[in-house]
Amino acid sequence: AQKVTQAQTEISVVEKEDVTLDCVYETRDTTYYLFWYKQPPSGELVFLIRRNSFDEQNEISGRYSWNFQKSTSSFNFTITASQVVDSAVYFCALRRGTGFQKLVFGTGTRLLVSP
Amino acid sequence: DSGVTQTPKHLITATGQRVTLRCSPRSGDLSVYWYQQSLDQGLQFLIQYYNGEERAKGNILERFSAQQFPDLHSELNLSSLELGDSALYFCASSGLTNTGELFFGEGSRLTVL
Repeated sequence: AQKVTQAQTEISVVEKEDVTLDCVYETRDTTYYLFWYKQPPSGELVFLIRRNSFDEQNEISGRYSWNFQKSTSSFNFTITASQVVDSAVYFCALRRGTGFQKLVFGTGTRLLVSP
Repeated sequence: DSGVTQTPKHLITATGQRVTLRCSPRSGDLSVYWYQQSLDQGLQFLIQYYNGEERAKGNILERFSAQQFPDLHSELNLSSLELGDSALYFCASSGLTNTGELFFGEGSRLTVL
């Protein structure tokens, strides 16, 4: 079975602080995909990143970075120098690598960035 | 803008009623997914269609049904509505590979009174 755990329900930081959102996943598949989505207060789900299970390279995109470690089944997301606009709910998700597969989402982490 | 269009954005109705939510996928995407987001259940997968055929089914109630039409738009029908059906319903689409990310619409917020 596929499972994604986001143990942090809510995180509050002050602007310019760095923050890391944790994601731990469970799967028996060797091929799978991991994702992060952002859900701002307006409600839409915005795709941020996709990683496949064979690529453990960390990725950086501006203030965002992702750390994928298969040894600990984790795919953590760090926002550097957080801004108020980063306030949102962030979801980690997992997808099997074969066939027509759904995304399995974690419960999300609400990030509040105050000025 | 993800390219996925959902209508209506908001819907208020009464218990026992029936509603239809509509979704137009991104241009060229053959797969459509429906998800339900509620406060207590989180993001739950309901059903997936690929090029008009049902491909996967999740926690979809028997009172709910969906279909994908030849023009690839999809509709989610919710009937005999209950208070607990109040939620944000998302449609998402993905491309041919089925290994990529899902692109979500803005959602249809259903309130059942």
